[in-house]
Formats: sequence, C-alpha cells, structure tokens
Amino acid sequence: GQQVMQIPQYQHVQEGEDFTTYCNSSTTLSNIQWYKQRPGGHPVFLIQLVKSGEVKKQKRLTFQFGEAKKNSSLHITATQTTDVGTYFCAGLGANYGQNFVFGPGTRLSVLP
Amino acid sequence: EAQVTQNPRYLITVTGKKLTVTCSQNMNHEYMSWYRQDPGLGLRQIYYSMNVEVTDKGDVPEGYKVSRKEKRNFPLILESPSPNQTSLYFCASMSGQDFGTQYFGPGTRLLVL
Repeated sequence: GQQVMQIPQYQHVQEGEDFTTYCNSSTTLSNIQWYKQRPGGHPVFLIQLVKSGEVKKQKRLTFQFGEAKKNSSLHITATQTTDVGTYFCAGLGANYGQNFVFGPGTRLSVLP
Repeated sequence: EAQVTQNPRYLITVTGKKLTVTCSQNMNHEYMSWYRQDPGLGLRQIYYSMNVEVTDKGDVPEGYKVSRKEKRNFPLILESPSPNQTSLYFCASMSGQDFGTQYFGPGTRLLVL
C-alpha cells in the first residue's frame, strides 16, 4: 500500500534559523496537504498542493510539490518560537480511493 | 463558527465493553474521516466517508465500525475494545468537491484496560 515518509523526525533550531522538512511518497499523489499540530492540540490544516511542481507561500512558509508528484517540502524562513510543533504531510494517492495517508511528522523545537 | 465536535474527550473503559465516540460537523461537508494517533506513527486513517451511506476502510479499520446516516454525524464504534486500541482519536471533515481544508475535532483520548 501507499507509504509516506518524512525526514527529519526531529529538528532543533535556534530562533531565526531556517527549517525544512521533506515528505516522500511510495506512489504518485493526486494532492498533498500539510498540517501543524501544537503539543496537546489537534492538527491544523496549512495548505494543499495539487499541481506538479507547484510552489505556494504563506508568509515565512514555502511549500513545494515535486514534479513527479511523489515528494513535497515545507520550508520555514527565520523560525520563531511560535513555529514550535509537529508538521505532518498527508497524501491522497492518485490510484487509490479517497483515503489520506499521513507521514509520521517532523517535530520542530525552536530555542529562543 | 466552523466546527468539528467529538464526545467524549476522555474515556477509560475495560476490554470488551462496547463504546461509541460521536463526531459532528456544522459545515455541510461531504467527506468525514476518523484517525488514530499513536507516538511515532503519526495519524492513521481508520475509516472515511464520502457522503451519507457511503463509507470505506482506511489503513487501520480492524476492530472499528462506522456509520453515516446523516451528513453531519459520523460516529466511531468499538464493538469489543482491546488494549491495543488505546490511542488518541481524531474526527475530521472537509468538502468533497475539491477536498481542501480538512478540519479536525479536538480529539478523544481513549484508554482500554
């Protein structure tokens, strides 16, 4: 079945440094979504990417969808302490039903 | 306010005692889903529903049942809970037209003794 991997599992950065998490799927995706979950909270939707090679920006966050629609990345510029949390990608397989497969997440901690 | 609600938020039960976790959304969404979250494993989809009376298995459906009799409600049923179903459960919903924003409920923490 479809598998989604994320690296790194953990990332510790100093406030102001950049951060990137990578998401890789074993199969081609029809779309990919990114979520943020704060400790003790629920996942909060950040963005959805649909097109091959798509790049979207939200303030300091930049999201990319690979040309082959099998990988994606989230880059945060100049991290802040409010960026702390776990970032998940979730892929909808191109050849499967409508079930989302989540990556295991990247936990980001930001040291002030 | 767009909302997904779940009840109960916390539940301690014993092996074999049937339980239901309710989920309701007020956004008229077609797509609803149940996930479980376990440390190191991320979120895994249990069941999803594309619309009323349409449900399908996710990645980890064993030991769970769902029903979708009304558009707004999507209860999760554990007929005979076992300790390996101890987990944090999330219900979620989104528009079935173009997917897009998936809204998550606050979560239900379940402990099966």
